[in-house]
Amino acid sequence: GAVVSQHPSWVICKSGTSVKIECRSLDFQATTMFWYRQFPKQSLMLMATSNEGSKATYEQGVEKDKFLINHASLTLSTLTVTSAHPEDSSFYICSASSGTIRGGTEAFFGQGTRLTVV
Amino acid sequence: SQQGEEDPQALSIQEGENATMNCSYKTSINNLQWYRQNSGRGLVHLILIRSNEREKHSGRLRVTLDTSKKSSSLLITASRAADTASYFCATDPDRGSTLGRLYFGRGTQLTVWP
Repeated sequence: GAVVSQHPSWVICKSGTSVKIECRSLDFQATTMFWYRQFPKQSLMLMATSNEGSKATYEQGVEKDKFLINHASLTLSTLTVTSAHPEDSSFYICSASSGTIRGGTEAFFGQGTRLTVV
Repeated sequence: SQQGEEDPQALSIQEGENATMNCSYKTSINNLQWYRQNSGRGLVHLILIRSNEREKHSGRLRVTLDTSKKSSSLLITASRAADTASYFCATDPDRGSTLGRLYFGRGTQLTVWP
């Protein structure tokens, strides 16, 4: 399957600072990338859909100004958690899709980033 | 919310036994996918079943889909200790052409004892 690389795999930051997480598709062009958030022992919650060259579409309840998403190229999307607070501590996972075929295609997931805000 | 619901939330079995996990969802779908997640790690795609399919096999995995009941099941046969993980179903909703956007269920934590 296709490879999606997420960096960093873990990060600890101070409250009030911003943290950037990168998601790269290594061997395919990802027209669309997705960002998810997962609290301990809970499910993945879709945060936003990121399309190359356009603004991200955020799910209801997700703060756009808090979670800045940039998808500047077909292989890179970034999520910036701005002015991070302890409640932002979570596991963030990206996925990438190149499919536009009806019937569905699998999305390829990065290995996730564990963010701890102290 | 379009999240699915897995049942059971936790399952504990002995090696060699079969494990069955169920997933229900709320709206029409394009496809349904099952993923595995080891503790604190990324997701591993297991199998995708399209809305016009009823059953699919992959190795020791068997997935069924009943769109009339909006439910799916994942069967792992002859389980191994290495199968210990969380298993999630995820639905690709049938709306528009944004494929790959998934809504996840809460997951089943499977523990397989040696």
